[in-house]
Amino acid sequence: EAGVAQSPRYKIIEKRQSVAFWCNPISGHATLYWYQQILGQGPKLLIQFQNNGVVDDSQLPKDRFSAERLKGVDSTLKIQPAKLEDSAVYLCASSSPGVETQYFGPGTRLLVL
Amino acid sequence: QKEVEQNSGPLSVPEGAIASLNCTYSDRVSQSFFWYRQYSGKSPELIMSIYSNGDKEDGRFTAQLNKASQYVSLLIRDSQPSDSATYLCAVRVLTGGGNKLTFGTGTQLKVEL
Repeated sequence: EAGVAQSPRYKIIEKRQSVAFWCNPISGHATLYWYQQILGQGPKLLIQFQNNGVVDDSQLPKDRFSAERLKGVDSTLKIQPAKLEDSAVYLCASSSPGVETQYFGPGTRLLVL
Repeated sequence: QKEVEQNSGPLSVPEGAIASLNCTYSDRVSQSFFWYRQYSGKSPELIMSIYSNGDKEDGRFTAQLNKASQYVSLLIRDSQPSDSATYLCAVRVLTGGGNKLTFGTGTQLKVEL
């Protein structure tokens, strides 16, 4: 079974630029999560999708971050414009309905200069 | 008060010793508790979950939960250098959509030869 796929793996941009990350969850996993992990901290949930609907986006900085999951499968997370403090690893995870275990992708490392 | 608190470490133990990792949480309605292991530069991977008070053993790992004290711990017996990693405690709290994980900052474990 293929794991959670993410791209790109690394991204370096300048502040005020925009950036987008892509995630493809494990096949059949209806729930998809985007986390932000700043160096030295635990992952922080940004947004949770159930199929293509948003379940929780309470910690998503909506003035600059957006996410979508149009067909209930893969998802994109966008930052526009980026700030220095957005430098972090962006992790995508997925889980099956009724199963609590979340499986994480390899992450995208973002550096904002 | 942070929702999930862990000592950041590093916790150093000699090879073959027992490593004890601790975590406290603030939300009394927390439902499920998880320990994730994260190697440097890698994504978190689930190693243990526990849902009821008491101990749960899986190989060299034992998770302990005390809901009255809002405390969860992870014991690693016969520690190996390959156990050197950051251990993240995660707590699930019921939300409208369910399955929201809140992570601690992680404890760095170093197993020395």
